[in-house]
Amino acid sequence: AQRVTQPEKLLSVFKGAPVELKCNYSYSGSPELFWYVQYSRQRLQLLLRHISRESIKGFTADLNKGETSFHLKKPFAQEEDSAMYYCALGTSGSRLTFGEGTQLTVNP
Amino acid sequence: DVKVTQSSRYLVKRTGEKVFLECVQDMDHENMFWYRQDPGLGLRLIYFSYDVKMKEKGDIPEGYSVSREKKERFSLILESASTNQTSMYLCASSSGQINNSPLHFGNGTRLTVT
Repeated sequence: AQRVTQPEKLLSVFKGAPVELKCNYSYSGSPELFWYVQYSRQRLQLLLRHISRESIKGFTADLNKGETSFHLKKPFAQEEDSAMYYCALGTSGSRLTFGEGTQLTVNP
Repeated sequence: DVKVTQSSRYLVKRTGEKVFLECVQDMDHENMFWYRQDPGLGLRLIYFSYDVKMKEKGDIPEGYSVSREKKERFSLILESASTNQTSMYLCASSSGQINNSPLHFGNGTRLTVT
């Protein structure tokens, strides 16, 4: 069965510091990976997907099939990055499975 | 822009009541989903539907049912509400293949069962 694990429930960094939100998945086939974000009082929305290989709001994520990881990174965190982040896995013939989420706080 | 609208932002119901949560999307999406969001547990899929009158169980369907009579509307039903169903409920929709299409979420309904 597919599974997504985000080991950090809470992550706190200072403005300007690098940030990495970890995501590990379990799936034997070819996965589709996503990061979703929920800012305070806003709806959950797509941040980026691995197939696009793009940078959104300075964030990037690389799919590492050997380590079954899809960590989200940003070199210089901003206060407006404070939000709840969810990693999600899409598998063939199935639907999206979400991780537990990581609450990121960027301190001034 | 896709709009997914959940009819209620907050609901308070009593144990044993039958509860209806309504969701409407305006982009002619085939797929619709109901998740519950709980701290430390993330989003867990309750039910989803990939077509009118079609439904599939998610990971935690017990105590819930759904209805999809029209393409744009997906209802979640709590047959007999219990306190452990107190949660944030999120509706979402998508087009295309379920496994790789971005989900568009509603604002959520915070349900409290007393």
